[in-house]
Amino acid sequence: KAGVTQTPRYLIKTRGQQVTLSCSPISGHRSVSWYQQTPGQGLQFLFEYFSETQRNKGNFPGRFSGRQFSNSRSEMNVSTLELGDSALYLCASSLVPLRGENTEAFFGQGTRLTVV
Amino acid sequence: LAKTTQPISMDSYEGQEVNITCSHNNIATNDYITWYQQFPSQGPRFIIQGYKTKVTNEVASLFIPADRKSSTLSLPRVSLSDTAVYYCLVGGNNQGGKLIFGQGTELSVKP
Repeated sequence: KAGVTQTPRYLIKTRGQQVTLSCSPISGHRSVSWYQQTPGQGLQFLFEYFSETQRNKGNFPGRFSGRQFSNSRSEMNVSTLELGDSALYLCASSLVPLRGENTEAFFGQGTRLTVV
Repeated sequence: LAKTTQPISMDSYEGQEVNITCSHNNIATNDYITWYQQFPSQGPRFIIQGYKTKVTNEVASLFIPADRKSSTLSLPRVSLSDTAVYYCLVGGNNQGGKLIFGQGTELSVKP
């Protein structure tokens, strides 16, 4: 079956603009999480959604937001872009939220965002 | 939350067995140990997960001593395509759905 699909793969934006990234999870997966990866900070958790509800949020400013739709697809939005937001944004899906012994998430290839 | 420590980098040659050790001294009773692999410009990929003793799948083995303060990922007979970053993660119910990645180990396999 198809894996996690993220669109677009690459994006260039200007400081101050906003951006929306999309993630389609594996069919049947209801949990979607987002991560930011930069050379300096590594992989950092942004937020987790399950059944259209945000269950957990990482330590990011309010400019970073997200949502999940009834078909489990998810979007994340970053407003008022800053140069430091340049990163690889990764989406991960799992059947149910990652808890306890359930630690297997399936990641997409990511969206490479460059802010100039 | 349990913190993990791994070597920053390792070198190996094709056909060798590679063992990457991860320290997690303050692992909690309900924490599981998970390893992910990441190739450049791709998302991480789940390799293996365990709680204690030894776990083996078609890709790797995971050795966990009785005190669970460390774990070792073993990759048998590596090939060039195993060149990647390997992350050791520790967490359980208290992780709240998030995977906490450390710095990872950059494995370089040479011909």
